[in-house]
Amino acid sequence: EVQLVESGGGLVQPGESLRLSCAASGFTFSSYAMSWVRQAPGKGLEWVSAINDIGGSTNYADSVKGRFTISRDNSNSALYLQMNSLRAEDTAVYYCARDREGSSWYAPFDYWGQGTLVTVSS
Amino acid sequence: DIQMTQSPSTLSASVGDRVTITCRASQSIPKWLAWYQQKPGKAPKLLIYRASSLESGVPSRFSGSGSGTEFTLTISSLQPDDFATYHCQQYNTYWTFGQGTRVEIK
Repeated sequence: EVQLVESGGGLVQPGESLRLSCAASGFTFSSYAMSWVRQAPGKGLEWVSAINDIGGSTNYADSVKGRFTISRDNSNSALYLQMNSLRAEDTAVYYCARDREGSSWYAPFDYWGQGTLVTVSS
Repeated sequence: DIQMTQSPSTLSASVGDRVTITCRASQSIPKWLAWYQQKPGKAPKLLIYRASSLESGVPSRFSGSGSGTEFTLTISSLQPDDFATYHCQQYNTYWTFGQGTRVEIK
């Protein structure tokens, strides 16, 4: 059974940093591109960042470019999102999600984690 | 950037109704569109990909159509479990979601 479990969320002050993790199981993690998607309270979904299967290519939404870094550890089936210089508008539930097409770059997301809440507030 | 616009934002319907949700892209995305269902406090669930392909395990009352810039999600006979929020997503260039359509009980 495919499982994605996020962790690392919490309450931080503006300007601080946080690192999210996503533990994957039930599939060959190294064969799939992965993404982070967030959802602010009461709002829609926003794609944040993506990384290809081997970790050699990454993409970011303009809203987080230069502040967030996505990475992965295929030996441990883990996905990460390092978030620096956090702002109030980064407050959201952050989901990790798997690309449906495996190593194909642009694809829909067929499995999602349960999400981890990040709150940025003074 | 490709913008996605869904309509309506909220839809009131009864069990058994045929429901249609529209999603428009700001530029052509051929068939690179997906639909998701999301219930409160839960992660989104993939329903449709490539505009009209039904994801495994999704009931056949869900269908998708369209190409280019205009797409629709149709629920042929609304069931109690279908009251939720529906999101479209383009994956032609990066990934962009619509603002969501909430389907509520009439």
